[in-house]
Amino acid sequence: DTAVSQTPKYLVTQMGNDKSIKCEQNLGHDTMYWYKQDSKKFLKIMFSYNNKELIINETVPNRFSPKSPDKAHLNLHINSLELGDSAVYFCASSQWEAKNIQYFGAGTRLSVL
Amino acid sequence: RKEVEQDPGPFNVPEGATVAFNCTYSNSASQSFFWYRQDCRKEPKLLMSVYSSGNEDGRFTAQLNRASQYISLLIRDSKLSDSATYLCVVGGRKAAGNKLTFGGGTRVLVKP
Repeated sequence: DTAVSQTPKYLVTQMGNDKSIKCEQNLGHDTMYWYKQDSKKFLKIMFSYNNKELIINETVPNRFSPKSPDKAHLNLHINSLELGDSAVYFCASSQWEAKNIQYFGAGTRLSVL
Repeated sequence: RKEVEQDPGPFNVPEGATVAFNCTYSNSASQSFFWYRQDCRKEPKLLMSVYSSGNEDGRFTAQLNRASQYISLLIRDSKLSDSATYLCVVGGRKAAGNKLTFGGGTRVLVKP
């Protein structure tokens, strides 16, 4: 029973394409996040949603658009992919009123050629 | 200055030895503190929360010094399976979106 699941696990695509990554959690959490981990291994928050409402929107190009259809899902759509978008993207979830312990998905490894 | 700073290592540790490392954080308003563990090409997983009074979980001991704004992790009787990258994580206020800020990680290699 995977608690936070992301698809796809690997994504290889050409520059300029548009792609989506999906995330689902079955932990009953009300808050979900997208992180980017680049080649230097720094993990940085991109977005977070609480009860489908955007809470955090870090300085991310507007080519990145998150969508939360319900509390259990947070998808990430990326337009006009660039070489610098190559990274591992992690989805996470937590319960807002709890200690903010976040549980991560296995990651989506995106390679832009 | 990075918000959360860690020595990247690697710390090469003989099996059975003790290893300790710190991280420092810049935001004095930080509310919560954690150590996460990340294995190569895997997702980060919570190792333990860190409390001001210090806390222990088996062979792992974490300390928080709010005055000096640093967090430490000590691993006793190191096992080969402890080889990983240890991420220092600092949480902000709910009003700021419950944001977690991750350090760059400290790599630990336990060798036979």
